[in-house]
Amino acid sequence: LAKTTQPISMDSYEGQEVNITCSHNNIATNDYITWYQQFPSQGPRFIIQGYKTKVTNEVASLFIPADRKSSTLSLPRVSLSDTAVYYCLVGDWNFGNEKLTFGTGTRLTIIP
Amino acid sequence: GAVVSQHPSRVICKSGTSVKIECRSLDFQATTMFWYRQFPKQSLMLMATSNEGSKATYEQGVEKDKFLINHASLTLSTLTVTSAHPEDSSFYICSAIRGRRYTFGSGTRLTVV
Repeated sequence: LAKTTQPISMDSYEGQEVNITCSHNNIATNDYITWYQQFPSQGPRFIIQGYKTKVTNEVASLFIPADRKSSTLSLPRVSLSDTAVYYCLVGDWNFGNEKLTFGTGTRLTIIP
Repeated sequence: GAVVSQHPSRVICKSGTSVKIECRSLDFQATTMFWYRQFPKQSLMLMATSNEGSKATYEQGVEKDKFLINHASLTLSTLTVTSAHPEDSSFYICSAIRGRRYTFGSGTRLTVV
């Protein structure tokens, strides 16, 4: 499994766009990039997944450059409820039994 | 779709007793489920992989006799913490995969007193 590196923590003000970058230099050809969000005392929640270029859904965008060695999660106009830990994970996971190994995650704090 | 239900959400038990935590996939079948534990301010740590109809695979350092896992059906996996001690107090989370997406239970806060 490709190792990921992301900032330990970030602060941002309400209403701003937040970008969290994850580095995954040894990503494999079949690997996908997935981001999860976790609030205190809750299980992680899927945010977005992508393979290349750009993916957008109702809550976030994911930007993946051509070399795929990094990815950026973009949260538009954040609010206080976006305060959480965000995990970047990389893997194939196409066979239903691959382990999901979490890194440190990024603790995002939104300031009023 | 892809909902994983975990029960109980909180449990307090006395030292030396056993506690069972259930993890159910509600709208899909999960041949494999995963169990994690998480200490305050730390990341999730994989404990074991639960396989339907066969023995669980434990990560290095996890005592299989203490953390008993049973995956008797395609929708249910259980984790039993046997002879619990205060150091077992933690947040336990299960997950299952559907497609390339992992879905997590809401977690169980175990407090051993």
